[in-house]
Amino acid sequence: QKEVEQDPGPLSVPEGAIVSLNCTYSNSAFQYFMWYRQYSRKGPELLMYTYSSGNKEDGRFTAQVDKSSKYISLFIRDSQPSDSATYLCAMKGGNKLVFGAGTILRVKS
Amino acid sequence: DTGVSQDPRHKITKRGQNVTFRCDPISEHNRLYWYRQTLGQGPEFLTYFQNEAQLEKSRLLSDRFSAERPKGSFSTLEIQRTEQGDSAMYLCASSLAALGRETQYFGPGTRLLVL
Repeated sequence: QKEVEQDPGPLSVPEGAIVSLNCTYSNSAFQYFMWYRQYSRKGPELLMYTYSSGNKEDGRFTAQVDKSSKYISLFIRDSQPSDSATYLCAMKGGNKLVFGAGTILRVKS
Repeated sequence: DTGVSQDPRHKITKRGQNVTFRCDPISEHNRLYWYRQTLGQGPEFLTYFQNEAQLEKSRLLSDRFSAERPKGSFSTLEIQRTEQGDSAMYLCASSLAALGRETQYFGPGTRLLVL
């Protein structure tokens, strides 16, 4: 079993929809939780960084962490075609990041 | 701030050849990481440096792989006797280690194809 599980999708939504992306994890040692966005053939770009359980909002993006359930989410409001990318969850308990497999998101105009 | 840069961006080589990749981190960052990403998967940790010291290596890093970070600035990743299974995107990330929070910034990656 992988330490971090993420549905690979693809997830296809119409422009303006609310998108929900999720990851589950098994390692209780993970303390920091991140979401990265990766466009095709590019490096990952950090979107959100959270530490504690609860919600963190940044513009159209909201990251949610539930440590008791070992479950994290990223919500994208008013999705745009430019949001089409692979979204990677990442977790950190020591120095290295452990990534999910990534969810491919397609926003149709 | 020019971000993390990697060179080359693409490399095609024949099985058995040696290849070397370079990463230039964000200038004030003291930590540098190497990850490998295959199609449809998230990046997997290979190794990291704090300044010039290599502090951790993954079991994924076979003895054909070697990484250096002389003088704590740029880093190189060398793969000797390449195999087809080495084909992947090799990503470099850098960070400024501080108490608690640490953000890793990724470069554009080097895409390796071993024929």
